[in-house]
Amino acid sequence: EDQVTQSPEALRLQEGESSSLNCSYTVSGLRGLFWYRQDPGKGPEFLFTLYSAGEEKEKERLKATLTKKESFLHITAPKPEDSATYLCAVLGHSGGSNYKLTFGKGTLLTVNP
Amino acid sequence: GAVVSQHPSWVICKSGTSVKIECRSLDFQATTMFWYRQFPKQSLMLMATSNEGSKATYEQGVEKDKFLINHASLTLSTLTVTSAHPEDSSFYICSARELAGGWYEQFFGPGTRLTVL
Repeated sequence: EDQVTQSPEALRLQEGESSSLNCSYTVSGLRGLFWYRQDPGKGPEFLFTLYSAGEEKEKERLKATLTKKESFLHITAPKPEDSATYLCAVLGHSGGSNYKLTFGKGTLLTVNP
Repeated sequence: GAVVSQHPSWVICKSGTSVKIECRSLDFQATTMFWYRQFPKQSLMLMATSNEGSKATYEQGVEKDKFLINHASLTLSTLTVTSAHPEDSSFYICSARELAGGWYEQFFGPGTRLTVL
């Protein structure tokens, strides 16, 4: 069974204080590792998909990296508007004809001004 | 990223009534659509998977007669909560998957807050 563990559960940063969020995973036949951002009362907003170890993607202050066992979401010089829950999910072949996303529990990021 | 819309964004209904939620992929054709449920401070729980023109596949523990899913086209899926009860109150989120260049991308709608009185 596919498993995703995110750490830390919650992270408080000062504005401008860079840090990283971790996503460890085990999956049968990885077809993609996804990062989403979710604000309270809203659906997850797509950030990145990584498909193979060594791949990196960037978007504004965010950079996602992938190894065979984990992914990191690096946040450089965060701003208060980066405060949200960040979700990591893996797309694997858990059996059956459909690939399914398996989500971690998320990291709640709070950036203080 | 691609856009997925949901309607309505919130709905309040009386116990025993049925509620329909629409999900559309606006600028792409979705190979597969999904319905999730999310409880406060918890992660997303997959309810069912549907492919256009096929019967939905429900996750274990999800009542298929209560949560009716219709996937009429490559851009539209609907979830009908039949004979809703207060315990069905939740945040329902749809998702649409696109297959592009041999790789999958999956996008989520903004969610529908259902409150059953």
